Amino acid sequence: KQEVTQIPAALSVPEGENLVLNCSFTDSAIYNLQWFRQDPGKGLTSLLLIQSSQREQTSGRLNASLDKSSGRSTLYIAASQPGDSATYLCAVNSNDMRFGAGTRLTVKP
Amino acid sequence: DVKVTQSSRYLVKRTGEKVFLECVQDMDHENMFWYRQDPGLGLRLIYFSYDVKMKEKGDIPEGYSVSREKKERFSLILESASTNQTSMYLCASSLRGNTEAFFGQGTRLTVV
Repeated sequence: KQEVTQIPAALSVPEGENLVLNCSFTDSAIYNLQWFRQDPGKGLTSLLLIQSSQREQTSGRLNASLDKSSGRSTLYIAASQPGDSATYLCAVNSNDMRFGAGTRLTVKP
Repeated sequence: DVKVTQSSRYLVKRTGEKVFLECVQDMDHENMFWYRQDPGLGLRLIYFSYDVKMKEKGDIPEGYSVSREKKERFSLILESASTNQTSMYLCASSLRGNTEAFFGQGTRLTVV
């Protein structure tokens, strides 16, 4: 069974910092990996999707990388803003879709 | 835009009641999923379906069943609700294979 781990569980940074969130998974036979954002009490919003054949994807200040062979993905957020405060979840799709526990990010003004 | 709609945002039910949570998607997706989300435990997969009338158990299917009679609708059924089923329930859908998954807004179920 695919196991997904996210480190750190929580992160607090001052506004303007660049930061990296980590996701690791145990089975490299995946279709894709997806990063989501979740605001308190809300559903999940898709941020980036990386196909298994890709190494990275970028959207605005977000950059996600994938190293399938080592079972790792990172989400890089540049120039963080208070509006980035949320929980970030990675999901690994290998027929079903399995999630990490998330990283709760707080960006302080 | 893909839309995944869950029938209720908030629901309060009594112990022992039969509860139906409905999820509808409008993009002809083959795959549909039901998760529950609890503090400290993350999202746990209850059931998923990769086609009409097909279903697969996830990690925590006990106390739940599902129904997929039409491609666009995936229902989660709590046969006899219990207080330990109080949770946030999230539905998602995707095309088969290498595609993006989309989530509904969630249903916060409280069983009293």
